[in-house]
Amino acid sequence: DSGVTQTPKHLITATGQRVTLRCSPRSGDLSVYWYQQSLDQGLQFLIQYYNGEERAKGNILERFSAQQFPDLHSELNLSSLELGDSALYFCASSPLGQGGPGNTIYFGEGSWLTVV
Amino acid sequence: DQQVKQNSPSLSVQEGRISILNCDYTNSMFDYFLWYKKYPAEGPTFLISISSIKDKNEDGRFTVFLNKSAKHLSLHIVPSQPGDSAVYFCAASANTGNQFYFGTGTSLTVIP
Repeated sequence: DSGVTQTPKHLITATGQRVTLRCSPRSGDLSVYWYQQSLDQGLQFLIQYYNGEERAKGNILERFSAQQFPDLHSELNLSSLELGDSALYFCASSPLGQGGPGNTIYFGEGSWLTVV
Repeated sequence: DQQVKQNSPSLSVQEGRISILNCDYTNSMFDYFLWYKKYPAEGPTFLISISSIKDKNEDGRFTVFLNKSAKHLSLHIVPSQPGDSAVYFCAASANTGNQFYFGTGTSLTVIP
């Protein structure tokens, strides 16, 4: 158990709909990262938040947005869903906002999104 | 631009033998390297890391070697066990940046 909690674990929704994925980081971690993994491909970095503020942005679509709340939990909002958005969405957390030694990221179990 | 590369998509090893997984990187600013193990439909699990000031770090059956001049790191698993069968990702970060850069993964199969 990494200490990172993601809900829901599985979600099936129709094209055009909107969903929200939730993540609670490990106790004491200030950074939250979101990754997407499609069809056993690599981990695609979407976005990072540190202590409530956006810190880095990766290949995140304009239809997707995220935020980190004062209690440090984060939500990833996916809207106007398309079939190609079906994927595993991982949240990860780390203590610090930047990379480098000692800042290890730990992953949650993922939220499996199926768009039909 | 893939800054961290795992050029071997898959590897098969006999139980009890050594598994060697390789990873190359291009950014000389990277100063922290990590390995993760991932089972299907589960989250990646942190295995072992190494700082750029070291060239070796060992934890039980897992050893990571770093060759900075070659921009290359490797993960050695000795002895390999069937439960080690999973996808292994290497990752890198720099204290001057925010992101963690992941390789595309190597699928390890340990044959009993």
